[in-house]
Amino acid sequence: ELKVEQNPLFLSMQEGKNYTIYCNYSTTSDRLYWYRQDPGKSLESLFVLLSNGAVKQEGRLMASLDTKARLSTLHITAAVHDLSATYFCAVDASSGTYKYIFGTGTRLKVLA
Amino acid sequence: NAGVMQNPRHLVRRRGQEARLRCSPMKGHSHVYWYRQLPEEGLKFMVYLQKENIIDESGMPKERFSAEFPKEGPSILRIQQVVRGDSAAYFCASSPAGSTGELFFGEGSRLTVL
Repeated sequence: ELKVEQNPLFLSMQEGKNYTIYCNYSTTSDRLYWYRQDPGKSLESLFVLLSNGAVKQEGRLMASLDTKARLSTLHITAAVHDLSATYFCAVDASSGTYKYIFGTGTRLKVLA
Repeated sequence: NAGVMQNPRHLVRRRGQEARLRCSPMKGHSHVYWYRQLPEEGLKFMVYLQKENIIDESGMPKERFSAEFPKEGPSILRIQQVVRGDSAAYFCASSPAGSTGELFFGEGSRLTVL
């Protein structure tokens, strides 16, 4: 059974600092997704990573995928308060059916 | 282009009652997924449907839960004889056929069982 683990679960950081969130998964998959969720809201798609070595950047966020290590990272550069949210990675459990297995989430709080 | 529409947004039921949650996918999307999120947890896959077909229901409890996506109208997640443990946020997502697998989520329906 595919398991997806994120760490850290909670992250409190100062504005302007850099940090990385890690997403490990237990079985082979070449599709990984990052989502953002604000409290009481839906999930907003951030990145779609579809191959080994994929790297995508949007603003202060950059995501990468290493399928051999079964690891994805979400790097935050020079954090700002607006990035405060919960971030989820999700792995496609069986290619083609889009049955996502979500990580536990990382709750990020950026302090002014 | 409207996004994934879910209703009701909030639903309160007493134990033993039925809950019906509706989801209209994005225009042009033929695949619908239901996920459940318990407080402080990630989303758990429940069921994947295409029009008139259940493709994968491996995440659905065997009893009391059912889902459908009829030829006309929204997808419906039905929970019979609700219990307190059913209290959660239920998210619907959709995708077009042959896509990269990116799912587009609705705002969710928050069920509270008293």
